[in-house]
Amino acid sequence: AQSVTQLGSHVSVSEGALVLLRCNYSSSVPPYLFWYVQYPNQGLQLLLKYTTGATLVKGINGFEAEFKKSETSFHLTKPSAHMSDAAEYFCAVSDISNFGNEKLTFGTGTRLTIIP
Amino acid sequence: GAGVSQSPSNKVTEKGKDVELRCDPISGHTALYWYRQSLGQGLEFLIYFQGNSAPDKSGLPSDRFSAERTGGSVSTLTIQRTQQEDSAVYLCASSLGGFDEQYFGPGTRLTVT
Repeated sequence: AQSVTQLGSHVSVSEGALVLLRCNYSSSVPPYLFWYVQYPNQGLQLLLKYTTGATLVKGINGFEAEFKKSETSFHLTKPSAHMSDAAEYFCAVSDISNFGNEKLTFGTGTRLTIIP
Repeated sequence: GAGVSQSPSNKVTEKGKDVELRCDPISGHTALYWYRQSLGQGLEFLIYFQGNSAPDKSGLPSDRFSAERTGGSVSTLTIQRTQQEDSAVYLCASSLGGFDEQYFGPGTRLTVT
């Protein structure tokens, strides 16, 4: 069974500072990995995903994440936080051996607050 | 183009009543997923449709929950004899399959009183 751990349910950073949101996964085989963002009262929006190839993945809004197999991690970063980045962020995995059913297993989420 | 839509956006119901939640996926998306987002359980998978069939219902929490999809498009999630623990936001997502991006709707917030 797969699982996802997001360290820190709440993270606060100053505007302009580095954003680092942590995600570790547990899986018998390396899964596909995703980061989603949820703004208040809205659905989830895909930020970026890792399937195969380059382990550093760039996404929308200046975010990027690096897949590190040895650390079973997929941390999300952004060099300089903007006020508009305040939202809840979810890391998710999908079992690549389950082709045809790409259901997502989510972490518990990290609420990002930006301090002016 | 139009995204995934869900209705109603909010639903308040009394304990013991039945409710139906609707999802309109993006046109042409063959895969459809229902998830539930609640304070106690986070985001959890409920059911997956490929076309009109549901090969994975493993996330449905009890037999009070059922879902169907017709015409390879609209899906309805039905909760019978609602309980307070059913209160949550129910999210629908659709995709082209093959690990393509899942596009999420805005959700239906269900409150059981």
